[in-house]
Amino acid sequence: ILNVEQSPQSLHVQEGDSTNFTCSFPSSNFYALHWYRWETAKSPEALFVMTLNGDEKKKGRISATLNTKEGYSYLYIKGSQPEDSATYLCAFISTGGFKTIFGAGTRLFVKA
Amino acid sequence: EADIYQTPRYLVIGTGKKITLECSQTMGHDKMYWYQQDPGMELHLIHYSYGVNSTEKGDLSSESTVSRIRTEHFPLTLESARPSHTSQYLCASTRITGELFFGEGSRLTVL
Repeated sequence: ILNVEQSPQSLHVQEGDSTNFTCSFPSSNFYALHWYRWETAKSPEALFVMTLNGDEKKKGRISATLNTKEGYSYLYIKGSQPEDSATYLCAFISTGGFKTIFGAGTRLFVKA
Repeated sequence: EADIYQTPRYLVIGTGKKITLECSQTMGHDKMYWYQQDPGMELHLIHYSYGVNSTEKGDLSSESTVSRIRTEHFPLTLESARPSHTSQYLCASTRITGELFFGEGSRLTVL
């Protein structure tokens, strides 16, 4: 059974705080790992597509790392802003059918 | 910004009604998907299509059906809605990289 776990489930931070979330996934049959940001009343949008062990991706104040051997990815937000408030989803894509398995997400609340 | 559209955004209907959730994309993507999500839970794949006249059931069993007569259109139908069908339904499509482009979702409430 393929399982993708995200922690924490929710997080409340102050504006300016830096924060990070974890996505754990199976360490076998790895094809890719995606991160999505899902703002309320909008559609989920892709942040990063990660395919190689050791990958590090960055977009503005948000960055992500990938460890396929141990099956985890971290998402970091530096200097959180209220507009960062959203649910952050990770999705594991396996080989052999290229299934996409989503985690339940981390809900981030950034208070001004 | 992704060009994938879902209608209706919100729907409240009575038990036994037939409903169709519409999904259209203008990106020419061959692969399209329907996900179901209950609050605080994971997105679960209920249907997918790899092209015209191709439809498959996903991991989560669903009483809904889908069709893919045109590349850009992937509607989902419930013949007889029940309260257990109350959920959010998200449509998505992919290009070669596998990154999903999502619609804004259809939130269904069955009374």
